[in-house]
Amino acid sequence: GENVEQHPSTLSVQEGDSAVIKCTYSDSASNYFPWYKQELGKRPQLIIDIRSNVGEKKDQRIAVTLNKTAKHFSLHITETQPEDSAVYFCAASINQGGKLIFGQGTELSVKP
Amino acid sequence: GAVVSQHPSRVICKSGTSVKIECRSLDFQATTMFWYRQFPKQSLMLMATSNEGSKATYEQGVEKDKFLINHASLTLSTLTVTSAHPEDSSFYICSARDLGTSGTPHQETQYFGPGTRLLVL
Repeated sequence: GENVEQHPSTLSVQEGDSAVIKCTYSDSASNYFPWYKQELGKRPQLIIDIRSNVGEKKDQRIAVTLNKTAKHFSLHITETQPEDSAVYFCAASINQGGKLIFGQGTELSVKP
Repeated sequence: GAVVSQHPSRVICKSGTSVKIECRSLDFQATTMFWYRQFPKQSLMLMATSNEGSKATYEQGVEKDKFLINHASLTLSTLTVTSAHPEDSSFYICSARDLGTSGTPHQETQYFGPGTRLLVL
């Protein structure tokens, strides 16, 4: 089955700097890659997603890139703010039924 | 739109009892719902896929007789943790997949419920 690896597990940046989180997936049939932000004790919130027919997608300070050949996708947050501090999860959806397989998560800390 | 609710938000029970958790899609129909479990500081682990009107599909290693799933309508799925034990204490989160107005399976956005924190004493 699908396996998603996410790095780093923790990331600390200064306010205003950029943050990059990387994920790899194993199943070449995966075609949907969402990113979720989860604050402590709360539900994951979808922040951006990308489909396999697109190489890059941007939404204000957030961008996601996808390299299908290498089976890599990355989340880029620019001009980080303290409110960006949370745990971020990448995920991949395999073809059978759309179930999501999550990466291990990255705890992002943005220091003022 | 696309709101998913869960009930209860928090439950404490004694070891050996059963606990039922409800997941509802409030403003859309969801033929498929998913159940996840999340232990502290860990990722979301898919437990099962709940399909309206049919049996749930369980992930490897998840006991179907212990985690009973019922998806009797297009807006409600329930997860019952039977004979709960302290090791079942966790954060249980459901998600629902919105097929959109066209009903196409390519609408894969999932919306998560707020989660249910289960503590088994």
